[in-house]
Amino acid sequence: AQSVAQPEDQVNVAEGNPLTVKCTYSVSGNPYLFWYVQYPNRGLQFLLKYITGDNLVKGSYGFEAEFNKSQTSFHLKKPSALVSDSALYFCAVRDRTAAGNKLTFGGGTRVLVKP
Amino acid sequence: NAGVTQTPKFQVLKTGQSMTLQCAQDMNHNSMYWYRQDPGMGLRLIYYSASEGTTDKGEVPNGYNVSRLNKREFSLRLESAAPSQTSVYFCASSAQGLGGGNQPQHFGDGTRLSIL
Repeated sequence: AQSVAQPEDQVNVAEGNPLTVKCTYSVSGNPYLFWYVQYPNRGLQFLLKYITGDNLVKGSYGFEAEFNKSQTSFHLKKPSALVSDSALYFCAVRDRTAAGNKLTFGGGTRVLVKP
Repeated sequence: NAGVTQTPKFQVLKTGQSMTLQCAQDMNHNSMYWYRQDPGMGLRLIYYSASEGTTDKGEVPNGYNVSRLNKREFSLRLESAAPSQTSVYFCASSAQGLGGGNQPQHFGDGTRLSIL
């Protein structure tokens, strides 16, 4: 079985400050990990993924995420947040050993960046 | 680039009515998915199709049926709509990468469905 937890329903940050959105996962084997962003009345947009290799993954719009196997975490980060980063963020996991191509999503974290 | 296109964007149904949600992708992807999004619950997989000609149940398949019409199109049908099926429905597609499953999914903009 695979699962994802996003412990914070909402994160508030001032523009220009660092942004962190937390994600922890559980899989039987090794994970593929993804971050998506959703703007109002839109579908999810892919930000970045971890497959293998370097634990620090860089993605779109200045976002990055760090894979930590010992803590089973994949936190999303941005060094300097913009008001336009305000959106709903989803972490997702797939167990590499599982059949099919099914992702399990976390419940989402709403990010509010204040000017 | 159109990507994943869903129709309709909005729909209101009465309990017991039937409806088909349409989805088409133009990225030549093998795999397609239907999710529902409810507040505080993230996205839950209803059905998916790993390739043309195959469909499988996801986490919440009850009350739904799907058809993978061809490689481009994957439809979701509610045979007898219930208020509990009020939700936002998303279709997604992905390529089959090496090792399978490491390719991102691409989403449509959703169908907002209300059942009275």
